Amino acid sequence: EVQLLESGGGLVQPGGSLRLSCAASGLTFSTYAMTWVRQAPGKGLQWVSSISDSGANTYYADSVKGRLTISRDNSKDTLYLQMNTLRAEDTAVYYCAKGGQLREIDYWGQGTLVTVSS
Amino acid sequence: DVVMTQSPLSLPVTLGQPASISCRSSQSLVHSDGNTYLNWFHQRPGQSPRRLIYKVSNRDSGVPDRFSGSESGTDFTLKISRVEAEDVGVYYCMQGTHWPLTFGQGTRLEI
Repeated sequence: EVQLLESGGGLVQPGGSLRLSCAASGLTFSTYAMTWVRQAPGKGLQWVSSISDSGANTYYADSVKGRLTISRDNSKDTLYLQMNTLRAEDTAVYYCAKGGQLREIDYWGQGTLVTVSS
Repeated sequence: DVVMTQSPLSLPVTLGQPASISCRSSQSLVHSDGNTYLNWFHQRPGQSPRRLIYKVSNRDSGVPDRFSGSESGTDFTLKISRVEAEDVGVYYCMQGTHWPLTFGQGTRLEI
């Protein structure tokens, strides 16, 4: 059974940093593209970033470019999102998701809540 | 960016009756590889989203056949032939043809 387990969320002050992790199991992690999608409280879904299976190719939403960095460690079956210079508008549940190729999303984790507030 | 516009945003339905959700894209979603990367997701309250439909009309494994997807140009439709209680929640369309990936605003289906 495929499992994607996010961790690392929490309360952080504006301008602070946080690193999210997504541990994958039940799949050959290195063969899947991975994506982060966020959902602000009571709002809809917003794509954040995607990374290819090898990690060679990455894409970012303009709103996070230069502040958030996606990466992966295929030896550890883990996806990461390094979040720097956080703003109040980054407050959201962050989901990791997998896809057969970069532009696909076919399975989601349970999400981790990031709250940016003083 | 490709704008995905869903309608209606709220959809009251009766159990056993059909339901239909529309999603319109601001530009063609036909990729250079010939595929149309239009997906439908369902999010129940307090849960993460689940994909129902991919590439316009392909149902994911385990998705009941009462769900179907179709297209007409840049207009896409998700149909539920007979609504069941477990279908409540919010439905999102998402395009994967163009970067950035974009979602519709969501349609809340209520019994």
